[in-house]
Amino acid sequence: QVLLVESGGGVVQPGGSLRLSCAASGFTFSDYGMHWVRQAPGKGLEWVAFILYDGSNQYYADSVKGRFTISRDNSDNSLYLQMSSLRAEDTAVYYCAKDRGLHFDDWGQGTLVTVSS
Amino acid sequence: QSALTQPASVSGSLGQSITISCTGTSSDVGGYNYVSWYQQHPGKAPKVMIYDVSKRPSGVSNRFSGSKSGNTASLTISGLQAEDEADYYCSSYPSSKIWVFGGGTKLTVL
Repeated sequence: QVLLVESGGGVVQPGGSLRLSCAASGFTFSDYGMHWVRQAPGKGLEWVAFILYDGSNQYYADSVKGRFTISRDNSDNSLYLQMSSLRAEDTAVYYCAKDRGLHFDDWGQGTLVTVSS
Repeated sequence: QSALTQPASVSGSLGQSITISCTGTSSDVGGYNYVSWYQQHPGKAPKVMIYDVSKRPSGVSNRFSGSKSGNTASLTISGLQAEDEADYYCSSYPSSKIWVFGGGTKLTVL
């Protein structure tokens, strides 16, 4: 079955950087686009970024554009989110999710990022 | 891109039916058949319940159904069960590789 496992979350100071990872298994990773979606504590879901199956194109929410970079390594079945210039409002649980026909088909359990001094 | 509009909360009794609305614009919900619905229990990851407005993934109970009229999509849950109590989110793919979610609806089963 599909398994997505996020890692790399933690506490970081405002203005700092962090790299999240998502290890995928149970499906042919290189066939699917992948997303990052986040959820601030007690708040709703917010789409963050999407990368095509082959990594050829990436798309971002306005709130993270220019600060976050989504990437993937199909040889290692891994998805990444490089986050820089972090702000308090970036504090959230970050989920990776598999795309299937423009919806979020499978989700990981999430990793918590806390931006605080 | 603005978030889609959902009621903050809905409630229903065991065995009853409820409907959760999701209102957007002609540029998202009304313009494309790419509305999906997600169920999220506390502390858990979201789970897709409906996609492409009305399609149900394998394994999802047929008590869950989706529809759309104009700029408003709806999720209906019939025969409410205790385990249906959760947060529900709608999502749409407006265009140009940007996705949006609704603010979420807390379902309480009485």
